[in-house]
Amino acid sequence: AQRVTQPEKLLSVFKGAPVELKCNYSYSGSPELFWYVQYSRQRLQLLLRHISRESIKGFTADLNKGETSFHLKKPFAQEEDSAMYYCALKGSQGNLIFGKGTKLSVKP
Amino acid sequence: EPEVTQTPSHQVTQMGQEVILRCVPISNHLYFYWYRQILGQKVEFLVSFYNNEISEKSEIFDDQFSVERPDGSNFTLKIRSTKLEDSAMYFCASSETRAQPQHFGDGTRLSIL
Repeated sequence: AQRVTQPEKLLSVFKGAPVELKCNYSYSGSPELFWYVQYSRQRLQLLLRHISRESIKGFTADLNKGETSFHLKKPFAQEEDSAMYYCALKGSQGNLIFGKGTKLSVKP
Repeated sequence: EPEVTQTPSHQVTQMGQEVILRCVPISNHLYFYWYRQILGQKVEFLVSFYNNEISEKSEIFDDQFSVERPDGSNFTLKIRSTKLEDSAMYFCASSETRAQPQHFGDGTRLSIL
């Protein structure tokens, strides 16, 4: 089965604290994973993809095939990071399979 | 930066009526997608479209749904006879190739009364 699990519905941290948004996947074959972000009243935006191995807005994510995880991390959260974060897996049909999303709230 | 645009932003329709949701993908993109998100649930894939035909569809995309690219710019999703459970946010996305990331529109909120 092709599936993405984001176990936390809501994650609340203080500004400057480290943040980790969890994502686990189920996929037979070589997975392609993404993180999308949705700021308040805005569209889903691509944050990063694992094959790029880049850091966007201070966020990084490493694919761990042994643990079937693609957790999103940032060492020092900022208030403007508050948003919904969706982990997504590219399915065998080319479609995206999304997790339920995690709402990140960064408090001042 | 080019964007996917969707109209209308909110559509209210009586149950049983037909509804057409419109999308203008990014101009050099060749792959088009529709997703939906029922309130409180995850974003779900409906259909992908390439070279003027459906390339993949999910089990949600039954005979009530159809897609069309009526001209060189628009990509539409039609629901023939809407049901209460069709109420959701509908997102259009496009990508340059199958391998490139998908870019999403703002979505259309469909409310069925």
